Amino acid sequence: SQQGEEDPQALSIQEGENATMNCSYKTSINNLQWYRQNSGRGLVHLILIRSNEREKHSGRLRVTLDTSKKSSSLLITASRAADTASYFCATEGTGGFKTIFGAGTRLFVKA
Amino acid sequence: DTEVTQTPKHLVMGMTNKKSLKCEQHMGHRAMYWYKQKAKKPPELMFVYSYEKLSINESVPSRFSPECPNSSLLNLHLHALQPEDSALYLCASSHWQDPNSPLHFGNGTRLTVT
Repeated sequence: SQQGEEDPQALSIQEGENATMNCSYKTSINNLQWYRQNSGRGLVHLILIRSNEREKHSGRLRVTLDTSKKSSSLLITASRAADTASYFCATEGTGGFKTIFGAGTRLFVKA
Repeated sequence: DTEVTQTPKHLVMGMTNKKSLKCEQHMGHRAMYWYKQKAKKPPELMFVYSYEKLSINESVPSRFSPECPNSSLLNLHLHALQPEDSALYLCASSHWQDPNSPLHFGNGTRLTVT
């Protein structure tokens, strides 16, 4: 079953611009995670934000979480061509150990 | 390169074949997972193992049979698959005791059923 919904489904930007992706989910969560997947490869964990946190930064990544709206956003600043990939949000429910992925956003960064 | 190793990278099998997918990690993780991913779709959870015991089965058809022979290895045995089972099969691992432990994925096995 799919927990998170993401928008946009696809995003095309120029190198140097910022990219924002949004995720909504339905049930109570322990945490929300963001992953990146390059074409045909496995997923790479980017950042995890706990349910009691509102914002988190890691390098060029900024994640926000609004549990009242059951939504999160991922901001990638100063994008690079190498950021071209699919990005997925994933939620772990309060029961634990069942991480469910959203539909994903396909990001294309033009050099 | 990832710390979770999956073999083979590609597999083509007929509907009457029996094959196995293998996954190995040496990070000391006691939770291991199988996910299935169709093209342009998110990964879908199939199975979760904790301490070598099956914890979650997401109503997966019995033609998929998981096995966890020890804390480092996870297998997925395949038998009598259908063409619609063609997909990328991803293995992942995490710490079991820490509910905020992220998943570490392998690069997957690309399975084609003919």
